[in-house]
Amino acid sequence: DTGVSQNPRHKITKRGQNVTFRCDPISEHNRLYWYRQTLGQGPEFLTYFQNEAQLEKSRLLSDRFSAERPKGSFSTLEIQRTEQGDSAMYLCASSFGLGGGYTFGSGTRLTVV
Amino acid sequence: QQQVKQSPQSLIVQKGGISIINCAYENTAFDYFPWYQQFPGKGPALLIAIRPDVSEKKEGRFTISFNKSAKQFSLHIMDSQPGDSATYFCAASFRQETSGSRLTFGEGTQLTVNP
Repeated sequence: DTGVSQNPRHKITKRGQNVTFRCDPISEHNRLYWYRQTLGQGPEFLTYFQNEAQLEKSRLLSDRFSAERPKGSFSTLEIQRTEQGDSAMYLCASSFGLGGGYTFGSGTRLTVV
Repeated sequence: QQQVKQSPQSLIVQKGGISIINCAYENTAFDYFPWYQQFPGKGPALLIAIRPDVSEKKEGRFTISFNKSAKQFSLHIMDSQPGDSATYFCAASFRQETSGSRLTFGEGTQLTVNP
């Protein structure tokens, strides 16, 4: 296991289409985070899973966004009816415990045209 | 609500020089302050981190200085190298079961080290 894996790396979609991203965390990590990063900005927190439970969602996560982590392993982030404002890098990160740094994946860059 | 403010936005230093990036935070509940390094097309990578019970932490060429009373912390990169050219983000978090260790990031500093 070499780190957090995210797929696809790039996604171009037409406005109004649905997209789904996948994140495979480091295998022994029980905590998983999704962040969104727009150009020239720092990452912004979207949601957090401890094992399979989604414990917190940011107000940034509108009703069009949904995230799952079945069986506490990989996670998916789905965006329905994409808008141009959804264009960003979507980052996944994982950790084992609380209060420490976590490992980010390389992200999925979404472009909505 | 911007809780972590970072400066400068961009920084150019000569090879061998010292790079200094500053951050200020508002929430006194924060208890973990990491710095991340990000190269184009990559996710942020943890560089060094500090907790508020110490005023300084050094790892190789990287040092964090922490001033709890001023609610400020800074990253010093000694002997800066062209390979250090990247975007640097400060961040802060506190431990909470319901939110894990959600990080609040600064706006980032684009560092360029000229050879």
